[in-house]
Amino acid sequence: SAVISQKPSRDICQRGTSLTIQCQVDSQVTMMFWYRQQPGQSLTLIATANQGSEATYESGFVIDKFPISRPNLTFSTLTVSNMSPEDSSIYLCSVVTSGSLNEQFFGPGTRLTVL
Amino acid sequence: SQQGEEDPQALSIQEGENATMNCSYKTSINNLQWYRQNSGRGLVHLILIRSNEREKHSGRLRVTLDTSKKSSSLLITASRAADTASYFCATDLAGSYIPTFGRGTSLIVHP
Repeated sequence: SAVISQKPSRDICQRGTSLTIQCQVDSQVTMMFWYRQQPGQSLTLIATANQGSEATYESGFVIDKFPISRPNLTFSTLTVSNMSPEDSSIYLCSVVTSGSLNEQFFGPGTRLTVL
Repeated sequence: SQQGEEDPQALSIQEGENATMNCSYKTSINNLQWYRQNSGRGLVHLILIRSNEREKHSGRLRVTLDTSKKSSSLLITASRAADTASYFCATDLAGSYIPTFGRGTSLIVHP
């Protein structure tokens, strides 16, 4: 398994500002992902965080709005830029372990409220 | 649309009863995973079942997979109030390792 921590656990932000969320994993993992979960909804994949190169974004998500960094195999950041109330969600970091099982584990999430 | 769809959307039972949740998907998969999410918290990985497996157990949890019907079920036996949570299935398409999630089943277990 993998132990994942996220910071901050929650934040309340003003419209137009940006927030950077950090994700730290206790072991080196190949695949890291960022998800968004809007209130009462399922998880939506934002992007795959690639080590040493630009993230791969899913349809509907762009780098200018959600810049992602992944400087090494245990750490990634997601920035929510120029926030609006529609960005209020839980943001979750996730990793897929290597080996035969390819299990996916999630961080505790960051609950973001935009006023 | 979602690759995995859970059914029912909501389930309310009494403590001690069994809870069964189903997940259907559309295309061939590598694996199917079940997760639990307590209100406003992160996801807890419950079980991964591979496409060549039919059944797996973990404690009070039993997961089945029927690839011919493209469906899976999660059975929680002897439910407890602490099992109250949302349960999601996630499938990753054959050739990909990026799971997609259904909308989840909201389970309430009354003490």
